[in-house]
Amino acid sequence: EAAVTQSPRNKVTVTGGNVTLSCRQTNSHNYMYWYRQDTGHGLRLIHYSYGAGNLQIGDVPDGYKATRTTQEDFFLLLELASPSQTSLYFCASSEWTGLANTEVFFGKGTRLTVV
Amino acid sequence: AQSVTQPDARVTVSEGASLQLRCKYSYSGTPYLFWYVQYPRQGLQLLLKYYSGDPVVQGVNGFEAEFSKSNSSFHLRKASVHWSDSAVYFCVLSTEGADRLTFGKGTQLIIQP
Repeated sequence: EAAVTQSPRNKVTVTGGNVTLSCRQTNSHNYMYWYRQDTGHGLRLIHYSYGAGNLQIGDVPDGYKATRTTQEDFFLLLELASPSQTSLYFCASSEWTGLANTEVFFGKGTRLTVV
Repeated sequence: AQSVTQPDARVTVSEGASLQLRCKYSYSGTPYLFWYVQYPRQGLQLLLKYYSGDPVVQGVNGFEAEFSKSNSSFHLRKASVHWSDSAVYFCVLSTEGADRLTFGKGTQLIIQP
């Protein structure tokens, strides 16, 4: 069974704080994604990567950095957290064949609250 | 640019009744379409997918969807809903050569007893 594991599952931080969200996949997929989910907006793509050391910019990248250290691990960094970044964050992985995405597997999410 | 529209933010259905959740996409080429479900406090899980061939595709838990190229639609259906179907449903588009997905905003399904 394909697996994407996120940690922590819940996080509270103060405005201006430094937060790292972690994601590990055991699917041997090439692509990994970070999304945020907010009421009224659905899922919005923050950053994604097609392999270790690679980073691609998504649709809502401002205020976020990301790093793919290995095939398995993808991190999302908020270096100066703001209340507008309070959200539910999902990591996902997929195997992109060059033609289309195969099934995308999602983690269970990290709920981040910035106070 | 491609897009996905789920016109209903919320749908309420009585248990045992039939269901249709609507999805319209905008893309001039060949679409690859998915329906994902998000149960409370869970990540998204794949219900079904359409790549080509028979326009009616079967998924898990009795769900099916019908692709219509002429209507640019991919509606989700179920003949008889159960209380456990309460969730948020997302229609998702992938396109040839694109390494990312396009999500609809989701439809929350509420099952009344």
